[in-house]
Amino acid sequence: AQSVTQLDSQVPVFEEAPVELRCNYSSSVSVYLFWYVQYPNQGLQLLLKYLSGSTLVESINGFEAEFNKSQTSFHLRKPSVHISDTAEYFCAVSERHTGRRALTFGSGTRLQVQP
Amino acid sequence: DADVTQTPRNRITKTGKRIMLECSQTKGHDRMYWYRQDPGLGLRLIYYSFDVKDINKGEISDGYSVSRQAQAKFSLSLESAIPNQTALYFCATSEGIHEQYFGPGTRLTVT
Repeated sequence: AQSVTQLDSQVPVFEEAPVELRCNYSSSVSVYLFWYVQYPNQGLQLLLKYLSGSTLVESINGFEAEFNKSQTSFHLRKPSVHISDTAEYFCAVSERHTGRRALTFGSGTRLQVQP
Repeated sequence: DADVTQTPRNRITKTGKRIMLECSQTKGHDRMYWYRQDPGLGLRLIYYSFDVKDINKGEISDGYSVSRQAQAKFSLSLESAIPNQTALYFCATSEGIHEQYFGPGTRLTVT
């Protein structure tokens, strides 16, 4: 079984400040890792993913996340946030090498960017 | 047109009523999923289907049933709705282990 923990339910931050959204996972096998974003009144959309290779992955809008196997973490960072980044962010995990895969999501972190 | 559509978008129903939420997709994906979202709990998987003949329970399937009528259609039913099933419901599709594509959600209120 796998689980995902997002310790921060809300993160308020001022515009142009850096931000880190924390994600830790638990699994008995190797995993794939994902960050999804949900803008107000919308469904979720993929922000970035780690499948293999470089442990640092980036999105097209300036977010990055680093897979740390020893700490079982996949924290999301952005050096300078915009008002438009205000949204809820979900970390998710799925197990490798199983024939049947579904995502397990964390409880979400609401990022509130203030002017 | 949206790739994943859900109907209805909003629904208010009474305790004990049967209700069906429908999901359709035009992405041609074999895999479809139903989740519910509750504040502070994130998304929890209700049922998932890897093809028309392959239906699987998720972590919170009690009180729900599903039907995969075709590759493009996956319906979620509440046989006898109860107030704690009030939530935002999302349908999603995927091709393999990569990106899941979500519908816009159905907001269900059970009174």
